[in-house]
Amino acid sequence: AQSVSQHNHHVILSEAASLELGCNYSYGGTVNLFWYVQYPGQHLQLLLKYFSGDPLVKGIKGFEAEFIKSKFSFNLRKPSVQWSDTAEYFCAVNAPGGGADGLTFGKGTHLIIQP
Amino acid sequence: DTEVTQTPKHLVMGMTNKKSLKCEQHMGHRAMYWYKQKAKKPPELMFVYSYEKLSINESVPSRFSPECPNSSLLNLHLHALQPEDSALYLCASSPSGEDTQYFGPGTRLTVL
Repeated sequence: AQSVSQHNHHVILSEAASLELGCNYSYGGTVNLFWYVQYPGQHLQLLLKYFSGDPLVKGIKGFEAEFIKSKFSFNLRKPSVQWSDTAEYFCAVNAPGGGADGLTFGKGTHLIIQP
Repeated sequence: DTEVTQTPKHLVMGMTNKKSLKCEQHMGHRAMYWYKQKAKKPPELMFVYSYEKLSINESVPSRFSPECPNSSLLNLHLHALQPEDSALYLCASSPSGEDTQYFGPGTRLTVL
């Protein structure tokens, strides 16, 4: 079974600061990797995903993530955050190849951006 | 359109009630999911339906009973719930089960 670890549970930044949220997974096989965001009072939305190919993936709202296979990591980055980025961020994985598979989520990072 | 709809938005029920949660998608997705999310916690997988058949049940108590009447609709029947079952219940769908899952807004359930 897969597991996901997010290192930062609470992060507070000022507007225009750079962001990096850590995510490591544990699984011996091929994985699909995702970052989802949950804005206050809203549903989970996909920020970006990695299935294969270029390990640097770009998502919505200026977010990007890099898959480093040797480190089992998929860290999320944004060069300059905005107040509207305040939200809960979840890293998630599933294992392709065996049919429909649910997502395993990390515990989440609560990000607060101060104006 | 990547919309998954869920009804009701809020539900309050007693421990002896029977109620149902409904989830609908019209994107032609063939996999649908139920997750449970407690406050300040990540979603936890409950059930997976693939091509209208139950493919994963994550050892969920029998007081939760899923049903997939057709490829667009997913229900979660609730009976004799406990107060600790109070949570946000999320539905999701994906095209084939091995790709992106799209989430609905959830049903916030309170068990008294």
